[in-house]
Amino acid sequence: GAVVSQHPSWVICKSGTSVKIECRSLDFQATTMFWYRQFPKQSLMLMATSNEGSKATYEQGVEKDKFLINHASLTLSTLTVTSAHPEDSSFYICSARDLRDRAGNEQFFGPGTRLTVL
Amino acid sequence: LAKTTQPISMDSYEGQEVNITCSHNNIATNDYITWYQQFPSQGPRFIIQGYKTKVTNEVASLFIPADRKSSTLSLPRVSLSDTAVYYCLVGSANTGGFKTIFGAGTRLFVKA
Repeated sequence: GAVVSQHPSWVICKSGTSVKIECRSLDFQATTMFWYRQFPKQSLMLMATSNEGSKATYEQGVEKDKFLINHASLTLSTLTVTSAHPEDSSFYICSARDLRDRAGNEQFFGPGTRLTVL
Repeated sequence: LAKTTQPISMDSYEGQEVNITCSHNNIATNDYITWYQQFPSQGPRFIIQGYKTKVTNEVASLFIPADRKSSTLSLPRVSLSDTAVYYCLVGSANTGGFKTIFGAGTRLFVKA
């Protein structure tokens, strides 16, 4: 149980295009999902917190107009990198908390999406 | 959110026990301590979580002293496949509003 999937697992795009990454909780419902970015040899950096049915909360320094987050259902959140540039190339990881976890102490991570912008 | 401090890297040999200590001096009363493992190009994987004293599961043990200002992840008899980055996280829904901030992590390298 508690499986989170991401699609695609990797994507290569041209500079200036937009890329959408999906994050799904497969066997549980998640009111809250998180999006992280990880550069090589570095730790995960939290980008935003995505809440079902409401606007995402972005961390300081993360451009909300560039990284569009939509959490339309209890099992799906999407991250769209708009007008991608080479510096946006990174490993994007999502995680989700189970709706039933009232204490909110455990989150389940997706396998990540490798984005390469040419 | 409580800040965590871990050693940047550790080396070990196959079959040895590895202990990774994490400092979290400003841990809050409601905070839990969670450890994750991450392999290259993969998402973090949950290892163990605890609040106080000792917790053990099939892959690791977690030791938390009474003051909870630190914790130690113990990996018994490591193998080459345990080479990964290990992250210690501290927080709870009450103190962090559900969000989790990752520290630098500890890079464990297991040698044959």
